[in-house]
Amino acid sequence: AQSVTQLGSHVSVSEGALVLLRCNYSSSVPPYLFWYVQYPNQGLQLLLKYTSAATLVKGINGFEAEFKKSETSFHLTKPSAHMSDAAEYFCAVKEGDDSGSRLTFGEGTQLTVNP
Amino acid sequence: DAGITQSPRHKVTETGTPVTLRCHQTENHRYMYWYRQDPGHGLRLIHYSYGVKDTDKGEVSDGYSVSRSKTEDFLLTLESATSSQTSVYFCAISAQIYGYTFGSGTRLTVV
Repeated sequence: AQSVTQLGSHVSVSEGALVLLRCNYSSSVPPYLFWYVQYPNQGLQLLLKYTSAATLVKGINGFEAEFKKSETSFHLTKPSAHMSDAAEYFCAVKEGDDSGSRLTFGEGTQLTVNP
Repeated sequence: DAGITQSPRHKVTETGTPVTLRCHQTENHRYMYWYRQDPGHGLRLIHYSYGVKDTDKGEVSDGYSVSRSKTEDFLLTLESATSSQTSVYFCAISAQIYGYTFGSGTRLTVV
């Protein structure tokens, strides 16, 4: 069975500082991995995805994530935080590439950006 | 956004009453999902559908039922609402390997 663990339910950074949100996964088959962002009172928006091509994945708004099989990790980073990055971030894993494979989500990390 | 809408956006209901939430898509996707979102739990799968009249349970299906009589509509029913079902409910559709597209959510309060 697949699972996702996000380390840290709350992360606080200063504007301009590095953002690092941690995600570790468990999967019995090569996984597809995703990061979603949720702004207040909105649905989830896809930030980036890993689909077994390049291990370093670039997403929207300057975010990127690196797939490390040996560490079963898919951490999300951004070199310089902006106030508009304040949101909740969810890591998710999917086993298989067919549209019926179900996504399993982590518990989420709330990112606060301080001025 | 991406052809998926949920209704209503907000609802307050009394304990013991039935409630139906609607998810409508214009993308003609086969797979549809209902999740609930609660603090500290992320998103948990309630039920999903893999075609008209084809549905299955997720990890937190107790107290919920679903129906899908048309490709575009996936209904979630709380048979007898309880306070523990106060939550934000999200519908999603699935495109191959690209993850899911989510609706804007329904905030349900059971009093």
